[in-house]
Amino acid sequence: QLQLQESGPGLVKPSETLSLTCTVSGGSISSSSYYWGWIRQPPGKGLEWIGTIYYIKSTYYNPSLKSRVTISVDTSKNQFSLKLSSVTAADTAVYYCARHYEGFDYWGQGTLVTVSS
Amino acid sequence: DIQMTQSPSSLSASVGDRVTITCRASQSISSYLNWYQQKSGKAPKLLIYAASSLQSGVPSRFSGSGSGTDFTLTISSLQPEDFATYYCQRSYSTLWTFGQGTKVEVK
Repeated sequence: QLQLQESGPGLVKPSETLSLTCTVSGGSISSSSYYWGWIRQPPGKGLEWIGTIYYIKSTYYNPSLKSRVTISVDTSKNQFSLKLSSVTAADTAVYYCARHYEGFDYWGQGTLVTVSS
Repeated sequence: DIQMTQSPSSLSASVGDRVTITCRASQSISSYLNWYQQKSGKAPKLLIYAASSLQSGVPSRFSGSGSGTDFTLTISSLQPEDFATYYCQRSYSTLWTFGQGTKVEVK
């Protein structure tokens, strides 16, 4: 059974870089069959797709966040990561990692990241 | 950019009701449309992919239809466990944006 688990700091200071890692177990992140994405959800609000990485190297980002987002893969650890720079309070959200092809079919449990000094 | 608009933003219904939620794209997205259910404090769950294909393990009371710009999620007979928020999501042209959500509440 595929499982995804987000990890990283729960508190980030304004203007700093948010860094999260998603560890995948029960399947290979190197598979060419799937995409791997990050989605976030501010408290009480809807879902926002952040970005996706495919087959290790191809990346796709939400245009509204593109200038601040980097997604990368570490195949040796079966992990993919998110970096979001220059964060503000508006970046406070639950961050999810997920696998997708036709739909996001496997999700992590989500991790709350708060941006505050 | 193609915008996804869901309606209504919320609705009240009773167990046994037939519930319909609509998602409209500002341009044609063919059948590249997915539907999710999210319960409070939980990750979303994929219900329908490619507009009308039922995800494995999802009850058959859920169905999806539409293509082009207009899509519908239907719950044929609402069950107690179906009170949740539902999101549509486009998977077209390498942009996977979500609609704003529809909250289904107890009447």
